[in-house]
Amino acid sequence: EAQVTQNPRYLITVTGKKLTVTCSQNMNHEYMSWYRQDPGLGLRQIYYSMNVEVTDKGDVPEGYKVSRKEKRNFPLILESPSPNQTSLYFCASRFLFGQGYGYTFGSGTRLTVV
Amino acid sequence: AQSVTQPDIHITVSEGASLELRCNYSYGATPYLFWYVQSPGQGLQLLLKYFSGDTLVQGIKGFEAEFKRSQSSFNLRKPSVHWSDAAEYFCAVDATAGANNLFFGTGTRLTVIP
Repeated sequence: EAQVTQNPRYLITVTGKKLTVTCSQNMNHEYMSWYRQDPGLGLRQIYYSMNVEVTDKGDVPEGYKVSRKEKRNFPLILESPSPNQTSLYFCASRFLFGQGYGYTFGSGTRLTVV
Repeated sequence: AQSVTQPDIHITVSEGASLELRCNYSYGATPYLFWYVQSPGQGLQLLLKYFSGDTLVQGIKGFEAEFKRSQSSFNLRKPSVHWSDAAEYFCAVDATAGANNLFFGTGTRLTVIP
């Protein structure tokens, strides 16, 4: 089954303790991205990757890092989490078809930073 | 600046009633347009998309949307709502074909009453 898998689903951590949220897709998609969802703000893009070793900032990259060493994995790294990074995070990969494309989203990671 | 507006934060409808969720965008050219649905605790599922051609597009679960260039709108409709349609709905816009970011609206939460 084609899917985007994020782990963990829920995470509570303390300020300053480095963490990584993993994202894996089994569809051989080249493009992947990370979004955060906050009430009243919708989803905002954090980082995206066009392919292996090719990453770029989205709209809200501050406080985050990513890496793309292999096509299937796109982890999100918070080197020193702060409470304002408490949010719901989604990983997505993009698939092309015909004249357009669509996105497949993971189930989300709810992060709480205390 | 690019923006996507969903003016209704919360809508309540009775089961069996018709539904229309509004979406307006501000871009210069015709963008790619999407509607996603998010059920509680779930990721985002693509309902339908518009790239070009017929301005009335059909999606999954009995939803349809109409692109109106003159009004910069892409409203989502369903003739008869089911209790399982209760969820949050997001309109998303890609302002440039193949661009690296989907801009999301802030979402509309749909409540369905029996």
